[in-house]
Amino acid sequence: AAGVIQSPRHLIKEKRETATLKCYPIPRHDTVYWYQQGPGQDPQFLISFYEKMQSDKGSIPDRFSAQQFSDYHSELNMSSLELGDSALYFCASSLGRGMNYGYTFGSGTRLTVV
Amino acid sequence: KQEVTQIPAALSVPEGENLVLNCSFTDSAIYNLQWFRQDPGKGLTSLLLIQSSQREQTSGRLNASLDKSSGRSTLYIAASQPGDSATYLCAVLPFSGSARQLTFGSGTQLTVLP
Repeated sequence: AAGVIQSPRHLIKEKRETATLKCYPIPRHDTVYWYQQGPGQDPQFLISFYEKMQSDKGSIPDRFSAQQFSDYHSELNMSSLELGDSALYFCASSLGRGMNYGYTFGSGTRLTVV
Repeated sequence: KQEVTQIPAALSVPEGENLVLNCSFTDSAIYNLQWFRQDPGKGLTSLLLIQSSQREQTSGRLNASLDKSSGRSTLYIAASQPGDSATYLCAVLPFSGSARQLTFGSGTQLTVLP
């Protein structure tokens, strides 16, 4: 079965650079979520989209932005990168808000800022 | 604000033992609760999804229970194997409020010794 696809798997950037992470949800899933997981921490919600509109916003820095495109894939854009942005970034998708079938997560993108 | 707590933070057991991981949450107004497995540096694999109206779910050697009124869930792993070594995270989907997405606990790091 198709899963949530994230790219790239690994990314190394220097401070103050820009990074773009991509997420392709499970076909027919209409909601996409972005989470950030720092070393030894639990995943923290950043932002979500439902039917290509921003749905909810969590602890996402102003330096980050995201959008969902007409084909439902989503991109997380991160600018002016800081060392503290080094983390695993997960994308998840669900049908509706995940009430009936829960969330499915991708394998994540490991971002290292040097 | 919904808070999710997992106890213990780490657990080490010999192979073959049955074990229980605990999860508690402060607000019982939830749609569902999901248990995930995470291997080091990897993505989140969904193990079990329990709807708020359900008491338990089973998959193979895993059994998850939910007592919504007391804000508790347990994940029971039977006949543990070294391959079960991973971090186990529980997450709740709130029914309402400002946090309308999965909220995670900090996880239990399980080591099964051969």
